[in-house]
Amino acid sequence: KNEVEQSPQNLTAQEGEFITINCSYSVGISALHWLQQHPGGGIVSLFMLSSGKKKHGRLIATINIQEKHSSLHITASHPRDSAVYICAVPGASGSRLTFGEGTQLTVNP
Amino acid sequence: DTAVSQTPKYLVTQMGNDKSIKCEQNLGHDTMYWYKQDSKKFLKIMFSYNNKELIINETVPNRFSPKSPDKAHLNLHINSLELGDSAVYFCASSQDLNSPLHFGNGTRLTVT
Repeated sequence: KNEVEQSPQNLTAQEGEFITINCSYSVGISALHWLQQHPGGGIVSLFMLSSGKKKHGRLIATINIQEKHSSLHITASHPRDSAVYICAVPGASGSRLTFGEGTQLTVNP
Repeated sequence: DTAVSQTPKYLVTQMGNDKSIKCEQNLGHDTMYWYKQDSKKFLKIMFSYNNKELIINETVPNRFSPKSPDKAHLNLHINSLELGDSAVYFCASSQDLNSPLHFGNGTRLTVT
């Protein structure tokens, strides 16, 4: 089983701050997912990446396959970014996504 | 034009009852999933179907039975509901196991 650890578990920031959420996993993978769960409960896929970096608006995701580590960055954070951010990685067979426990981000105005 | 829709959004029922949650996706995806999110917000895979065939079946009580009448639908039937079944259940779909996931809005099940 691929163990997934996220840090921090909780993060409070002021509007405009640069945010970094980290994800480490134990077994080599083909790709890693970053998800966002809003207070209303809906889950949205933000990124799926297997190498390097991806950018979408103010969100940037990076992955280092050798170090088994990924980061999610939010530039110029805004209160609407407040959500739980979850990383997920596939198991050794490529199936059975294992999810991190999530990072609760609160951005205050 | 909802991509992945599941019903009902809320389900409150008593112990021992049998209930179903329905899920439909209009994305043309081949793979569908059921996930359970517990009170600590931890997501865990329950089942996955690819083209109506079961491909992932985690350690889930036999009281949970998924059914996929076609590749656009994956329903979850739960027999003899227990208090511990209370959770939010998410349906999701993807083109295949290596593609991004699209989630439904979740069904909050409360067993009293």
